[in-house]
Amino acid sequence: QSALTQPASVSGSPGQSITISCTGTSSDVGGYNYVSWYQQHPGKAPKLMIYEVSNRPSGVSIRFSGSKSGNTASLTISGLQVEDEADYYCSSYTSSSTLLFGTGTRVTVL
Amino acid sequence: QVQLQESGPGLVKPSQTLSLTCTVSGGSISSGGDYWSWIRQHPEKGLEWIGYIYYTGSTYYNPSLKSRVTISVDTSKNQFSLELRSVTAADTAIYYCARDQGDGYGILGYWGQGTLVTVSS
Repeated sequence: QSALTQPASVSGSPGQSITISCTGTSSDVGGYNYVSWYQQHPGKAPKLMIYEVSNRPSGVSIRFSGSKSGNTASLTISGLQVEDEADYYCSSYTSSSTLLFGTGTRVTVL
Repeated sequence: QVQLQESGPGLVKPSQTLSLTCTVSGGSISSGGDYWSWIRQHPEKGLEWIGYIYYTGSTYYNPSLKSRVTISVDTSKNQFSLELRSVTAADTAIYYCARDQGDGYGILGYWGQGTLVTVSS
């Protein structure tokens, strides 16, 4: 199982919108609506931001949204804020009944 | 509020077995629909799913680690555990336990703080 593919880094200015992609195959991202996104600040545990492609857990800002098309899922952060600077990981359920994480994307707020 | 806490040795010798326990508080490990997961993160690297267990004992493992991993559950203690055998320096990582509240479909809503395990002689 190879990790899902994410861009290594994405940057944007405060107030802008950015999108992070997560590309897999028909055996994971494309085959199930079980894509999650996690935010990780340095030295901290990951935090669930999006689940089942586009659902936000209670307490997560509406500036975070998710979508999927084919084998690629996306996380969009609108109205970028300084505190959004972190690493972001996608994950997907797979046809082998396992979970697969993405390679991770570092978001930098310019 | 469910809380998870990892515990175990921070240093393991090569070829030995890494053993960690995750203690769950604020909720029952026997709750239906919850899978109890182990994830690791190599220094300055990404997340790697190790596997998870249901309270009945059903387990699912990462194929790349399956031959060396055992995850077990002790419902009487509200704990689940990880054993990773024949470790090498490549197993040095921060190990997290987490609760998958989505029937095993990857909704990891609660995480422990993580524990660093170093493999070295």
